[in-house]
Parts: sequence; structure tokens; C-alpha cells
Amino acid sequence: AQSVTQLGSHVSVSEGALVLLRCNYSSSVPPYLFWYVQYPNQGLQLLLKYTTGATLVKGINGFEAEFKKSETSFHLTKPSAHMSDAAEYFCAVSGPSGAGSYQLTFGKGTKLSVIP
Amino acid sequence: DAGVIQSPRHEVTEMGQEVTLRCKPISGHNSLFWYRQTMMRGLELLIYFNNNVPIDDSGMPEDRFSAKMPNASFSTLKIQPSEPRDSAVYFCASSFETGSLPQHFGDGTRLSIL
Repeated sequence: AQSVTQLGSHVSVSEGALVLLRCNYSSSVPPYLFWYVQYPNQGLQLLLKYTTGATLVKGINGFEAEFKKSETSFHLTKPSAHMSDAAEYFCAVSGPSGAGSYQLTFGKGTKLSVIP
Repeated sequence: DAGVIQSPRHEVTEMGQEVTLRCKPISGHNSLFWYRQTMMRGLELLIYFNNNVPIDDSGMPEDRFSAKMPNASFSTLKIQPSEPRDSAVYFCASSFETGSLPQHFGDGTRLSIL
């Protein structure tokens, strides 16, 4: 069965500081991994995804994530936080029908606050 | 181009009433998803359509919930009768690849059942 654990339901960073949002997954098949962002009163937007190949993936708005199989992790980072990054972030893993399946298992989300 | 359009944005109704949520996917997209988001359970897939056909409705909570997609540009999610525990934000999402992940989400319908 697939599962996603996001460590920390709330994370606060100062503007200009490093953003690190943690995601660990469990998957019975080779995973595809995703990060989505949700701004207040809006739907989710796909930030980035890992399918195969390069383990460091770059997404929109300066975010990137690294797939580490040995650690079953897919942490999201951004070198310098901007006020506009304040939102809720969701990590997701595809499956269990297999990588690339429409069935996504989402984490509970991490709300990012950026302090001026 | 317009994104996924959901209506209404907010719905407040009394227990026992019928509720209909509407979704217009992005033109040309052939996959449509309905999700429910709550604090307790997070994001849950309710149903997945491909080419207007329901492919997976295993996430539909019970018979009170039904979804239809009469054509490629319109889908509804109906709850009858509604209960307070149905209160949630309901999202519609679409994508242009069969079996692919949801790419574009609407802004959701915030449903409150009193």
C-alpha cells in the first residue's frame, strides 16, 4: 500500500531563508512522486514531479526536490523564501496500480508561513 | 484559456437537502477527477472519469453520492440526502492523458451541511 508522511504540519521561515519541506513515502512499486501547492481558496497546482531518471527535479517558482530511494524521501527545497511562497504544500505518490497511475496518495500537507 | 471551472464556490444547506456540484473541465481534456478535502482525512479521490466514462468510483463514500459526466465539457457530483459529515471542500480536476495524474484543479466548492 502507498502512504506519504509529511513531517511538520506547519513550517515558518523568514523571507530569504532556506525552505525545506519534508516528505517520506512508502510504496509497494517503484514510485512516481509529486509536490503540489495550494494557495488559499484555490485548487492544487503541480509544482514538480519525479518519474524516472535524474533524481533531482526542478519545478516552478524556484523549487526543487530530490528523490532518495535509500531514505524513501522526496524533500522539497527552495534556497530563498519569498512572501508569495506562503501556501500549503502536498506531497503525493502514485499507485498502487503502478507508477504513473492516476491514483495518487496525498500527504496531509504542510502549511508554509513566510515571515517578513 | 480558462481553467477548470467549478460552481458554486460556496454552498450552505440543511441536512437532508440535495446538493449538486458542477464542473467544467479544460477543453480537450479527457480525464476528470472529483476529490474531497477535509481536515481529518486530507485529499481523497472520489471518482475518476475517462472519455466521459466512470473508470473508478471506489472512493465514493456511499450510495448517497453519485457523479455523472454527460459530455466532455460537464460533470456533476450529487449528494442526496446530504449529511453534516459531508461538509468539505470538493475539487474537480482534469488532465489530457488517459490514466494520468490530475494536472489542473478547479478552485473548489466549499460545502457546509447544517
